[in-house]
Amino acid sequence: KAGVTQTPRYLIKTRGQQVTLSCSPISGHRSVSWYQQTPGQGLQFLFEYFSETQRNKGNFPGRFSGRQFSNSRSEMNVSTLELGDSALYLCASGLAEGSTGELFFGEGSRLTVL
Amino acid sequence: GQQLNQSPQSMFIQEGEDVSMNCTSSSIFNTWLWYKQDPGEGPVLLIALYKAGELTSNGRLTAQFGITRKDSFLNISASIPSDVGIYFCAGQYNAGNNRKLIWGLGTSLAVNP
Repeated sequence: KAGVTQTPRYLIKTRGQQVTLSCSPISGHRSVSWYQQTPGQGLQFLFEYFSETQRNKGNFPGRFSGRQFSNSRSEMNVSTLELGDSALYLCASGLAEGSTGELFFGEGSRLTVL
Repeated sequence: GQQLNQSPQSMFIQEGEDVSMNCTSSSIFNTWLWYKQDPGEGPVLLIALYKAGELTSNGRLTAQFGITRKDSFLNISASIPSDVGIYFCAGQYNAGNNRKLIWGLGTSLAVNP
């Protein structure tokens, strides 16, 4: 069974640009959550999608947005990039809605903002 | 808001030693989970706990859901070099009609062979 696939794995952007990250969940999983991971800050929850609807949202500015498609694939977008957005962005898929906690993570997309 | 205090922040041990780490909170959780993140990878679920007092093992790993529902610990026995990584606890609680997940900041484990 294929795992969670995130693309791209690495990317470099400059301040002010925007970026789109993609996540394909495990087949059959309908829940996709996004996290930002930075050293010392742990895993910061961005948002969760289930059946194409945003179910939960973390405390991030409106520059961070996401969506989920009918095939459960998800994208997140960060506009007007800032240096502090440099981080590892992790996607996690799950069977059930509502953050049951049993999540399957991808390897992440490492974003560097210069 | 809900917060998890995970300790220790980091550990450096000799191969063969036992390891213990814990998470505490002033709030009650319905589920406790422990994840491990290897370098360059995403976190992987090690153990999930669903009942207060529950003690669960997964190989050399043992975790417990505290009786008060406000804490959990993870023990690793006879550590080996591949135990190196960051261990995260996570607690799940109900917030109205929503279930939310809160993460500890992680315990970084280094094992000296």
